[in-house]
Amino acid sequence: DAGVIQSPRHEVTEMGQEVTLRCKPISGHNSLFWYRQTMMRGLELLIYFNNNVPIDDSGMPEDRFSAKMPNASFSTLKIQPSEPRDSAVYFCASRVVAGGGTQYFGPGTRLTVL
Amino acid sequence: SQQGEEDPQALSIQEGENATMNCSYKTSINNLQWYRQNSGRGLVHLILIRSNEREKHSGRLRVTLDTSKKSSSLLITASRAADTASYFCATEEASGTYKYIFGTGTRLKVLA
Repeated sequence: DAGVIQSPRHEVTEMGQEVTLRCKPISGHNSLFWYRQTMMRGLELLIYFNNNVPIDDSGMPEDRFSAKMPNASFSTLKIQPSEPRDSAVYFCASRVVAGGGTQYFGPGTRLTVL
Repeated sequence: SQQGEEDPQALSIQEGENATMNCSYKTSINNLQWYRQNSGRGLVHLILIRSNEREKHSGRLRVTLDTSKKSSSLLITASRAADTASYFCATEEASGTYKYIFGTGTRLKVLA
């Protein structure tokens, strides 16, 4: 199994630009999570989906952030417009929702907003 | 909000010694997982313990769970330099939301 795939691995952009992060979960997993990790705030859950439906987006910092999951094998996290304080590592993770399944993480996207 | 709080925040030991990290949480849980993160890398799952379990082993890892105290511990025996990493606990709340909440992490440094 290829594991959770994220792209790009690194993204450098200028303030005000749109940023799109991509994630492909592990095949057969029906729950997908987006996290953000910074030194100051640690690992924060932004949003998660069950069966492609957003369940809890209370962690999304503000309206500049949006996430979609159009099908079981693809999700995006979009920031528009981006700001320097959005600089962080963004992780995607997936799991089988029932039965307390293990959550597997992707390698992360390191975002730098100048 | 942070569900889990790891203790200590940082730990430095000599190779061959045992390392113990603790995690406390606030709400009832279905299970608890421990993850390792090497610097600049993603999180790697180490072990999962369910709420009806009290202890679990995996290689040099031993995890305990005390639901009455809402706490868990991770013991790494005979530590190696390669164990140097940050360790996080993550709890799945029993509220049926299926989401994991991560703690603040313990930074472990194993000196060769």
